[in-house]
Amino acid sequence: DTAVSQTPKYLVTQMGNDKSIKCEQNLGHDTMYWYKQDSKKFLKIMFSYNNKELIINETVPNRFSPKSPDKAHLNLHINSLELGDSAVYFCASSQKIGANSGNTIYFGEGSWLTVV
Amino acid sequence: AQSVTQLDSHVSVSEGTPVLLRCNYSSSYSPSLFWYVQHPNKGLQLLLKYTSAATLVKGINGFEAEFKKSETSFHLTKPSAHMSDAAEYFCVVSDLSGTYKYIFGTGTRLKVLA
Repeated sequence: DTAVSQTPKYLVTQMGNDKSIKCEQNLGHDTMYWYKQDSKKFLKIMFSYNNKELIINETVPNRFSPKSPDKAHLNLHINSLELGDSAVYFCASSQKIGANSGNTIYFGEGSWLTVV
Repeated sequence: AQSVTQLDSHVSVSEGTPVLLRCNYSSSYSPSLFWYVQHPNKGLQLLLKYTSAATLVKGINGFEAEFKKSETSFHLTKPSAHMSDAAEYFCVVSDLSGTYKYIFGTGTRLKVLA
């Protein structure tokens, strides 16, 4: 069974469209994340939820809106897509946050978004 | 503030020779450190992690890393490179200051020559 699964894997869409990427984890983790990887492979955190509560919200345009219906799901909705949104988006989860030991982050396979 | 620096953006080695991927970190608190590998068009897979236990950490696929506090380093090594090791490698730091962030290095592309 895939631990962190995200769909779709590939998405090509036109500028101005609205799209969503879904993510689910079956690890029983409390914390989920969205990371963006640009063309230079640089990974930057966008959002993090802990038990459905938003705890990290980096300086991301408000066209990006995460939604966590329960702690096993964290979806990413993007409005009015722009060319610069083209990137790979990774969903991830970890057991809990702020613990005294480093919790491993488990990543999904990524969603390749291309805006044309 | 925490940060991590991967000193080489590209490393090339011949198959069968040792691998060294360098990582330096900065953290105000006791850090947890990780190495992840990303193969082309794939997600990130954990290689190993350090969480204040043994300073020499062994990971999967023959990789290991040594935490050196005096040098603020966490270099990744492997005695003998295999063609399948060609990938992007990321050093990651997570400190315990309550920022709840995992900070990624900029990555090192490992190329293995036949």
